[in-house]
Amino acid sequence: SQTIHQWPATLVQPVGSPLSLECTVEGTSNPNLYWYRQAAGRGLQLLFYSVGIGQISSEVPQNLSASRPQDRQFILSSKKLLLSDSGFYLCAWSRNDQQYFGPGTRLTVT
Amino acid sequence: DAKTTQPNSMESNEEEPVHLPCNHSTISGTDYIHWYRQLPSQGPEYVIHGLTSNVNNRMASLAIAEDRKSSTLILHRATLRDAAVYYCILLTNFGNEKLTFGTGTRLTIIP
Repeated sequence: SQTIHQWPATLVQPVGSPLSLECTVEGTSNPNLYWYRQAAGRGLQLLFYSVGIGQISSEVPQNLSASRPQDRQFILSSKKLLLSDSGFYLCAWSRNDQQYFGPGTRLTVT
Repeated sequence: DAKTTQPNSMESNEEEPVHLPCNHSTISGTDYIHWYRQLPSQGPEYVIHGLTSNVNNRMASLAIAEDRKSSTLILHRATLRDAAVYYCILLTNFGNEKLTFGTGTRLTIIP
């Protein structure tokens, strides 16, 4: 069976510090991968998606970036965090007609 | 992408059926209707999807209007664990599914 992992589960970082969130998928190959963000009390916003290694599409211009160094690994990064980067970050993979979400990382920028 | 409209919130008594409506008057012929739900502090989970015919699975039923401009997610017997935000989403292209989440319907279950 397929599983999706995200870490860390929670993170508190000061403004201006770097960020690295990791997502890995097990039990499938060549999945489409996605990063979403959910600000407090808001809906989910698609940030990045990837259809293969090294292939990243950005949906929203911002100070975040994404990379896919391996088939089942998706990384979300920032060189300098802003207060507005606080939120619940969700990684997802898709197959056929369903999308499967990870447990999420709750990021608080102070 | 075509837009969907859902009520912001709904309440239902436990062990009673729940009908969650969704309007999508600009739906195209190739749009599939998907429903996801998000439990508190968790990522969304797939519930059901359909194109034209009504659909049933172990979680819920999806009733699609004949003109496809609206649909209804039906939870046959709501439990406290069904309290969540329910999202109705239209998808055209499979294989590169970029879900566009609206604000959804926050369902509260009353014990």
